[in-house]
Amino acid sequence: DTGVSQNPRHKITKRGQNVTFRCDPISEHNRLYWYRQTLGQGPEFLTYFQNEAQLEKSRLLSDRFSAERPKGSFSTLEIQRTEQGDSAMYLCASSSGTVNSPLHFGNGTRLTVT
Amino acid sequence: EDQVTQSPEALRLQEGESSSLNCSYTVSGLRGLFWYRQDPGKGPEFLFTLYSAGEEKEKERLKATLTKKESFLHITAPKPEDSATYLCAVQARGSSASKIIFGSGTRLSIRP
Repeated sequence: DTGVSQNPRHKITKRGQNVTFRCDPISEHNRLYWYRQTLGQGPEFLTYFQNEAQLEKSRLLSDRFSAERPKGSFSTLEIQRTEQGDSAMYLCASSSGTVNSPLHFGNGTRLTVT
Repeated sequence: EDQVTQSPEALRLQEGESSSLNCSYTVSGLRGLFWYRQDPGKGPEFLFTLYSAGEEKEKERLKATLTKKESFLHITAPKPEDSATYLCAVQARGSSASKIIFGSGTRLSIRP
């Protein structure tokens, strides 16, 4: 169990550019979640995958955001035409999918949009 | 709408001074309540899951309890290394059972 891995750890981009983040979950976990966290706030749910199927998306997730999980393994989160309000920590988590199984988080990607 | 409220926002204690953190929740049928610890610049680290009112879980200096409306995280004789943000989260039954909702956390600081 190597834990949830996220890359890159930090990303600085100019407004209007596209960015993509990657998450590698714990290998035997079939559920994968993306959350966003801003300073002083708790994580906000963005989207969730069961294997390769994206089963739920938050209303926070505008059409500039897209997430994929090809083959039910790693996942990517892409933000198009970034805005300064997108600056945040983007957290990925995975779980085994059994009832009440807890989320195991990675250390996040910190995005700064200038 | 499902909601989680944590209090206080911040808490400063002297080493050895016991206290409690509160998590109030409103959810349409509780499937599970989770406590996490988060250190600066890192992702949340899982501590406990509670399922039903009256349940208690312990780990070192931490004890979590659950009622029908709130959960408490009791910290006994804390040490400086217990300084962190403590997050509470709930998972509801029903159509959004997959979604886990977090509170804003309590920033705990323990002075030596």
